[in-house]
Amino acid sequence: DTAVSQTPKYLVTQMGNDKSIKCEQNLGHDTMYWYKQDSKKFLKIMFSYNNKELIINETVPNRFSPKSPDKAHLNLHINSLELGDSAVYFCASSPTSGWYNEQFFGPGTRLTVL
Amino acid sequence: GDSVTQMEGPVTLSEEAFLTINCTYTATGYPSLFWYVQYPGEGLQLLLKATKADDKGSNKGFEATYRKETTSFHLEKGSVQVSDSAVYFCALSEGGAQKLVFGQGTRLTINP
Repeated sequence: DTAVSQTPKYLVTQMGNDKSIKCEQNLGHDTMYWYKQDSKKFLKIMFSYNNKELIINETVPNRFSPKSPDKAHLNLHINSLELGDSAVYFCASSPTSGWYNEQFFGPGTRLTVL
Repeated sequence: GDSVTQMEGPVTLSEEAFLTINCTYTATGYPSLFWYVQYPGEGLQLLLKATKADDKGSNKGFEATYRKETTSFHLEKGSVQVSDSAVYFCALSEGGAQKLVFGQGTRLTINP
């Protein structure tokens, strides 16, 4: 199936640990994104990559480090996890970097930090 | 900066009722406007979009018209179904930016 996929779907971990979330899209898109959805469902952009190049970094703590090995993959590594990092993280992709293009979202990764 | 404001939820309606979810935006230029829907336990799906003033986006019986004069993009459906129960997000994307700016989401519950 053509889609945006994320692994894992659920991630439960202790404060202070380091974890990664992986994202892959097989839609042939050039641009990928990470969004964070908090407990009140509010969604906010974290990062955007276009052809493996970082385009947007929205006031995110430097404990969060995205990595794009190729344009089909955008992974998110989080160091020294904190309670406030608990959220649902969504990966998305779009055909080009154009502002008029819809973004296709993955199913989300629910991160719980204990 | 750019922002999107949606009506407060939750919204609860009976099946076949008329639905309106209000959305207004603030932007420096001429954004594209979107409605996304999130069904329980799933990611977001595009419901409809409009890229310029007076455009009407429509899909699955839902409609929204890009009103530049009132900076609004209200979502409407004439007769809702139980399967429309979800969280609805209004969003904008502006020229040069490569991100969506979302409203706070409106949870809709349709009772049979």
